[in-house]
Amino acid sequence: QQQVKQSPQSLIVQKGGISIINCAYENTAFDYFPWYQQFPGKGPALLIAIRPDVSEKKEGRFTISFNKSAKQFSLHIMDSQPGDSATYFCAASMNSGYSTLTFGKGTMLLVSP
Amino acid sequence: NAGVTQTPKFQVLKTGQSMTLQCAQDMNHEYMSWYRQDPGMGLRLIHYSVGAGITDQGEVPNGYNVSRSTTEDFPLRLLSAAPSQTSVYFCASRLLSSGGTDTQYFGPGTRLTVL
Repeated sequence: QQQVKQSPQSLIVQKGGISIINCAYENTAFDYFPWYQQFPGKGPALLIAIRPDVSEKKEGRFTISFNKSAKQFSLHIMDSQPGDSATYFCAASMNSGYSTLTFGKGTMLLVSP
Repeated sequence: NAGVTQTPKFQVLKTGQSMTLQCAQDMNHEYMSWYRQDPGMGLRLIHYSVGAGITDQGEVPNGYNVSRSTTEDFPLRLLSAAPSQTSVYFCASRLLSSGGTDTQYFGPGTRLTVL
C-alpha cells in the first residue's frame, strides 16, 4: 500500500518557468511533510518542510502548498534554473521520535536552458 | 563534522556471497536507518534503529540484517546476496528528540550490483 503518491514521474521545464510537483497521502496521522532534493550520485538532502498547521511555506524560490482537507501537498519551484535539475521526493511522517519517513516515488526534474 | 559516511561506494557481488555495508555518523544521532533506492520505486526503508541495541524492520527487511552496538555505527548485512538486491543503498540519521520532525541526513550511498 503506497501511503504517499507523487506525480509526475518526470518533468521538463524551461529556464525561468514554474515547476510543480504534487503529492497525496492517505494516513491522516501524518503531520510532517518534507521535500528532499537529490542530485545524481548523491544522497537526498532536505529542501523544505511543512507542518499541517500552515497552508504554505516559502523559502526563496521554493514553496510548499498544503491542503489538509484534500490530503495533498505540492512543491512549487519559481524561476526554475538548470541547477534545480534533480530528483525530488516528497515524504511524510507522524510526530513521534520513533516515526519513520514514508517517501513518494520521486520526480525527475529537468530544467532546460 | 563528517556527517553520515558510507563504505564502500561501489561493490559487485556474486549471488550467494555475503557482505556488510558500513554506515557511521558523528552527530550523536539516536535514530539511524537504511533505505534502498530503485528506479521508479523511490526510497524504501529496510531497517531502522532508535538507539544502541534497538532495531526494527522497515518496509523491505527480507534478506538483510542489522545490529546497533554503538550510537555511531549501523552496519547492514547481506547474508546471501541475490540479484534482486542490486540497488543503491542509503544510510540516514537524525535526532530522536522533538518528535519525527528533525532533519534526516543521508549518506552518499553505496551502489551494489549482484551478479
